[in-house]
Amino acid sequence: DTAVSQTPKYLVTQMGNDKSIKCEQNLGHDTMYWYKQDSKKFLKIMFSYNNKELIINETVPNRFSPKSPDKAHLNLHINSLELGDSAVYFCASSQTDGVDEQYFGPGTRLTVT
Amino acid sequence: GENVEQHPSTLSVQEGDSAVIKCTYSDSASNYFPWYKQELGKGPQLIIDIRSNVGEKKDQRIAVTLNKTAKHFSLHITETQPEDSAVYFCAASFPGNQFYFGTGTSLTVIP
Repeated sequence: DTAVSQTPKYLVTQMGNDKSIKCEQNLGHDTMYWYKQDSKKFLKIMFSYNNKELIINETVPNRFSPKSPDKAHLNLHINSLELGDSAVYFCASSQTDGVDEQYFGPGTRLTVT
Repeated sequence: GENVEQHPSTLSVQEGDSAVIKCTYSDSASNYFPWYKQELGKGPQLIIDIRSNVGEKKDQRIAVTLNKTAKHFSLHITETQPEDSAVYFCAASFPGNQFYFGTGTSLTVIP
């Protein structure tokens, strides 16, 4: 059983489009995250979310928005895609925030042309 | 916020040798220090972690040491094998806070 799954695995789209990446975890965790990994492999937190609070990294453009229909899902919506959005996006989850193992999904490689 | 520095950025070792990766952090409130391994095309996976009440932790060929006074922690891999080749990330955090990841170390084990 896959603990954290993401779809799609690859996403190629043109500038200006709007796209979504879906994430689901079957671990019963309370907290979910979205990370961006650029070409230099730097891992940057974009959002963390539990059923109480959404924490947004202040450097994330407001074109990015997380949507959580329930505790097991945290989807990432991106509006007006730009070339610089090309990266690998990882979803992760943990039991609590801050001091527990985070389980990462397999990643979604987004390419904006 | 927290700032985590990681060195070296790349490391090549001969199979069977040891590999050491070092990280420093800035926020004295950090008390959880995990290490993640990322293989090509996959998401990062936890390999070992240490909490601030412990100075050292070992799991088979992998060990982590923590010096809270100096605010640094290190990953030690002994008897390296080709399958240890990957990118390794350190991180620092405390309760209710996000992970701050280091910049990653690309480890290559030469057969």
